[in-house]
Formats: sequence, C-alpha cells, structure tokens
Amino acid sequence: EDQVTQSPEALRLQEGESSSLNCSYTVSGLRGLFWYRQDPGKGPEFLFTLYSAGEEKEKERLKATLTKKESFLHITAPKPEDSATYLCAVQARSGGYQKVTFGTGTKLQVIP
Amino acid sequence: NAGVTQTPKFQVLKTGQSMTLQCAQDMNHNSMYWYRQDPGMGLRLIYYSASEGTTDKGEVPNGYNVSRLNKREFSLRLESAAPSQTSVYFCASKGQGAVNGYTFGSGTRLTVV
Repeated sequence: EDQVTQSPEALRLQEGESSSLNCSYTVSGLRGLFWYRQDPGKGPEFLFTLYSAGEEKEKERLKATLTKKESFLHITAPKPEDSATYLCAVQARSGGYQKVTFGTGTKLQVIP
Repeated sequence: NAGVTQTPKFQVLKTGQSMTLQCAQDMNHNSMYWYRQDPGMGLRLIYYSASEGTTDKGEVPNGYNVSRLNKREFSLRLESAAPSQTSVYFCASKGQGAVNGYTFGSGTRLTVV
C-alpha cells in the first residue's frame, strides 16, 4: 500500500529563517511526486511535480528535491505570506486506478 | 480565469437528507475528481471521471454517487446523508498527458447533524 508521511506536522519560523519540510514515501514504482500549498479555507494549489531521484524544481523561495525514499521542500528566507499548509502526494506507476496518495501536510507559520 | 468552481461553499444537512454538490471547470480538462478532506487524514478520493461519459470509484465511494454531465461538469450526490460524511469536499481537474498536478476548487464545507 502506498504511504506518505510528512514531518514536522507544524513548523514555526521567524521571517528569513530558512528550513526544510520532509515527505517520506513508499510506493510501488513512482510515477510522480507532487507538492501543493493550501491556504485556510481554500483548495490546494499545485506547486511542483518531481519524477525521478535527483530532480529539483524551484519557484521563488521554494525548492523541491527528490530521492528514492523522500522529498524535501526547502524554504529560503521565508516571508509571512509563505504561511500555509504544504501537502505532498505520490502517484504510483502501476495499475489503471488513478490513485494519488496524499500526506496530512505540514502547517508552516512564518512570523514577522 | 475561473478554473474549478464549486457550489455551494457551505451546507448543513440533517441526517437522511440528500443533496448534490456541483463542480464545473473551464480549462477543457478531460479528468475530474471528487476528494474529501478530514482533520488528521490526507485527501481521499471518492470518485473520478477519466473522461466524459466515464466514472469510477475511488478509495471511499460508499454513500456517494456521481454524474459527469458533460466535459465541464462533474457532480457529487449524497443520497442519504450521515454524520460520517461531515467533511470538506474538493473537486479537482487535470489535463491530459504527462503527470500534471490537479487544479482544485475552493471546496464545500458540509456538516451533517
């Protein structure tokens, strides 16, 4: 069974204090790993797709990396507007079922 | 640039009542999905439609039905609501081809009392 575990559950950072969020996964053949941002009361917003170990993607202060067992979302010099819940999800290569397994998220708070 | 539109945003039902959640996308996406999000659990797939005219069960389909009315619209129906269906419901769509991320709607917060 595919599993996604995100840590920490919550993270509080001072503005400018860089850190990383972790997403550990087990999947029977990775088709893609996704990162989303979710603001309170809104739907998740797509950030990145990573396909294979060693791949990296960047967007503003965010950089996502991927290994065979985990992904990291690095946040460099965060600002208060980066406060949100960040979700990780994986899609397996096998089967016709379009199953994407989501983690429970890391709630990030950036304090001015 | 509406993306995915869900209605209603909030709903309170009594146990046993029925209702339909509406979803429409304007991005010409083939695939559409219904998820529920509960505290402490990841998003879970209820039903999906890979293309117009097809629907399939996801991870938690019991108590729900869906209709893919046309390429734009995908509705979720609760025939006899139960307190266990209290949740936030998200509709999503995805384009064809490579593994793309979903575009989600803003959600429907449903409470069943």
